[in-house]
Amino acid sequence: AQKVTQAQTEISVVEKEDVTLDCVYETRDTTYYLFWYKQPPSGELVFLIRRNSFDEQNEISGRYSWNFQKSTSSFNFTITASQVVDSAVYFCALSEGDYNTDKLIFGTGTRLQVFP
Amino acid sequence: GAVVSQHPSRVICKSGTSVKIECRSLDFQATTMFWYRQFPKQSLMLMATSNEGSKATYEQGVEKDKFLINHASLTLSTLTVTSAHPEDSSFYICSARDERSSYNSPLHFGNGTRLTVT
Repeated sequence: AQKVTQAQTEISVVEKEDVTLDCVYETRDTTYYLFWYKQPPSGELVFLIRRNSFDEQNEISGRYSWNFQKSTSSFNFTITASQVVDSAVYFCALSEGDYNTDKLIFGTGTRLQVFP
Repeated sequence: GAVVSQHPSRVICKSGTSVKIECRSLDFQATTMFWYRQFPKQSLMLMATSNEGSKATYEQGVEKDKFLINHASLTLSTLTVTSAHPEDSSFYICSARDERSSYNSPLHFGNGTRLTVT
């Protein structure tokens, strides 16, 4: 069965610190997709990244970077030089298979608070 | 870019009444949309898959008769919470993807609907 674990419930940092949000997943499929979404206090879900299981290259987008390691079933998310605007709940999610890949299984989320 | 519009954003209703929530894909068509539910400070749980022109597929434990889903067109799915009770109070959010775009295109979520049943 598929499962996504975000062990960190809440993280607090001071502005400009780097912070890594952990995500560990379980799946029996060889084809799957991993996602990160940001949910600010307003409630909407903001798409950050989608990565398929065959692409283990790490990705960097501005202050955001993602480390995908199939050997440890992890897809960790790092924010460099955090800012107050980064404060939000971050969800890691998984979808499986070649079809219906838009059906997401979410982790429990990590609430990040960045203090000035 | 592709946008999913959800309406209303907030609704308060009395116990026993029904509430309809709309999810529209703007500028793109979606044969499949998804409805999620999020309790306060908890994760999003998939409720059902809305299929255009056919019956919705519900996840285990979700009452089909209570959460009616209608996907009458390629741009609109509705979720009706029937005979709402206080325990139905939650944040409901839909998602859809522009199927014309690549498989790596993002899945777009609506802004969500906060339902409060008094």
